[in-house]
Amino acid sequence: SAVISQKPSRDICQRGTSLTIQCQVDSQVTMMFWYRQQPGQSLTLIATANQGSEATYESGFVIDKFPISRPNLTFSTLTVSNMSPEDSSIYLCSTSGPFVDTGELFFGEGSRLTVL
Amino acid sequence: TQLLEQSPQFLSIQEGENLTVYCNSSSVFSSLQWYRQEPGEGPVLLVTVVTGGEVKKLKRLTFQFGDARKDSSLHITAAQPGDTGLYLCAGTTPVGQNFVFGPGTRLSVLP
Repeated sequence: SAVISQKPSRDICQRGTSLTIQCQVDSQVTMMFWYRQQPGQSLTLIATANQGSEATYESGFVIDKFPISRPNLTFSTLTVSNMSPEDSSIYLCSTSGPFVDTGELFFGEGSRLTVL
Repeated sequence: TQLLEQSPQFLSIQEGENLTVYCNSSSVFSSLQWYRQEPGEGPVLLVTVVTGGEVKKLKRLTFQFGDARKDSSLHITAAQPGDTGLYLCAGTTPVGQNFVFGPGTRLSVLP
């Protein structure tokens, strides 16, 4: 299984600012995923980050609000732009493996954002 | 849209009791996973079931995949406070390899 590290683990942000979350994997992976988990809720997929191409966003999420970078096979960033209190959530980085068709996902510890 | 439902949503029990959590859908999944998430952590994979009717055991946890691959159950025997957490089922769709998460069951085991 992959070991995934996220930074920051938590942050308190002011309305209108932007924050970039970093995700580092200890091995090369093809697909990386960004999820949002609102308080007391399950996981919602924001986008799939593919190396060498633009991220694929799910319905309800747009690149202007959640720009994603994927410069190589071990690293990705998610930016939460122009934040509002509704963006207060846990943001989770994930990768699949070892076989995509078994659907196993491995997660980082999450980044808990609080927007005031 | 393929959806997964979980029941119960919340469960509070005493240490030593048994419990079953259910994950249901009207759709077929090529595989189904169960995760446990503790506060301040990301979800951790417990098991993957792939074959209809499959039963897997992980110590005091028993997982079953329905014959039609539309539902699954998680049974915990003699629950312990360390079992406390959010249990999530997730399915992999046969086409497009999308991952779908259920809403979760929040379990609290009291000592």
